[in-house]
Amino acid sequence: QVQLVQSGAEVTKPGASVKVSCKASGYTFSSYGISWVRQAPGQGLEWMGWISPYNGNTNYAQKFQGRVIMTTDTSTTTAYMELRSLTSDDTAVYYCARDGSGLLHYWGQGTLVTVSS
Amino acid sequence: EVVLTQSPGTLSLSPGERATLSCRASQSVSGNNLVWYQQKRGQAPRVLIYAASSRATGIPDRFSGGGSGTDFTLTISRLEPEDFAVYYCQRYGGSPRLTFGGGTKVEIK
Repeated sequence: QVQLVQSGAEVTKPGASVKVSCKASGYTFSSYGISWVRQAPGQGLEWMGWISPYNGNTNYAQKFQGRVIMTTDTSTTTAYMELRSLTSDDTAVYYCARDGSGLLHYWGQGTLVTVSS
Repeated sequence: EVVLTQSPGTLSLSPGERATLSCRASQSVSGNNLVWYQQKRGQAPRVLIYAASSRATGIPDRFSGGGSGTDFTLTISRLEPEDFAVYYCQRYGGSPRLTFGGGTKVEIK
């Protein structure tokens, strides 16, 4: 069965960076993109960007351009999302999801990132 | 950029009642590429409806989606206790790749 397992919760300081991992299994990793979506406490869903494990192509939401880097490691079927220059507004649960032409059928369990001094 | 506006923000209903949720797009959604998700507290979202009106695998037939162009609806014909949750619409295709609506909370009256 398709599974996306994310790394554990992170607590970090303003100005720092965070890197969240997403280990995929149960399907051919290179056949589907990975989208990253975040959700601030009590708020809605916000799409951050997408990466193709097949060729490394990325598509970032304009809001995160220059501050986010998405990568994949096909040897370990793992996707990564690094977000830099963190502020308290980046405190959120970060999700990875298998992206089939924009349809997010499978999601990771979420990773809580807390930015606090 | 296409903006999705969901209404109402909160819907207060009793089990057994009918729920009608709206998702309005600022521009026509190409190919009716519109998805509805359900999210329960502490859980990741799950797909209910894709391509505006197709039920995802395992989704009960009390959930139905409709609409086209800029106006879409999610209908829950008879609310079950497990249906009280937050619902999001999402468009895909075009630029940006994905956009979510702000969500509608369906709460017990």
